[in-house]
Amino acid sequence: EPEVTQTPSHQVTQMGQEVILRCVPISNHLYFYWYRQILGQKVEFLVSFYNNEISEKSEIFDDQFSVERPDGSNFTLKIRSTKLEDSAMYFCASSERAGYTEAFFGQGTRLTVV
Amino acid sequence: AQSVAQPEDQVNVAEGNPLTVKCTYSVSGNPYLFWYVQYPNRGLQFLLKYITGDNLVKGSYGFEAEFNKSQTSFHLKKPSALVSDSALYFCAVRDRAGGGADGLTFGKGTHLIIQP
Repeated sequence: EPEVTQTPSHQVTQMGQEVILRCVPISNHLYFYWYRQILGQKVEFLVSFYNNEISEKSEIFDDQFSVERPDGSNFTLKIRSTKLEDSAMYFCASSERAGYTEAFFGQGTRLTVV
Repeated sequence: AQSVAQPEDQVNVAEGNPLTVKCTYSVSGNPYLFWYVQYPNRGLQFLLKYITGDNLVKGSYGFEAEFNKSQTSFHLKKPSALVSDSALYFCAVRDRAGGGADGLTFGKGTHLIIQP
């Protein structure tokens, strides 16, 4: 069964450092998403990406965040200068279509900023 | 703005008994509604969705959910719980009026614990 894969599973970084979280979506999917879940809180939408550009972004997705699909298979989330409050589980997801189509999620990357 | 409420942090059910995990939503238009399950150290797995049509939708692992427009609810149910159903369950909504690739809005999740 096809699945979304994320690497690394856990990343520890120092405050102020840049991190790149990587995802390989399901191959025939066209829509890509990043979500995050701060420990003990709800899953929050960050950004959606379609046709090589951002479709929608939440208030959380400020200038320190960026996304890219560099090579047609990977989908990355970059955090330019990490803060302590960026510590969270980050989930990548993809879907074949938008709207009513369910998204398939990766297993997540746990980011710890120290 | 859309929102989802899961009023119970935890639901405890004896194995073999029916279970219900509650969800209510708020959207400006008509909703697309989803249930996801998360097992420890795993990503979210899709269980079922309501798009349109029959208010009772059936999904994976014997789960079903009933859409109630007047009560703006989408409760998850299963007639007979299994210990393996123990997990964290998330309800999510997307506003149809949003169209495009709008992100899902999730509830905070409900821990379902099935006791042998």
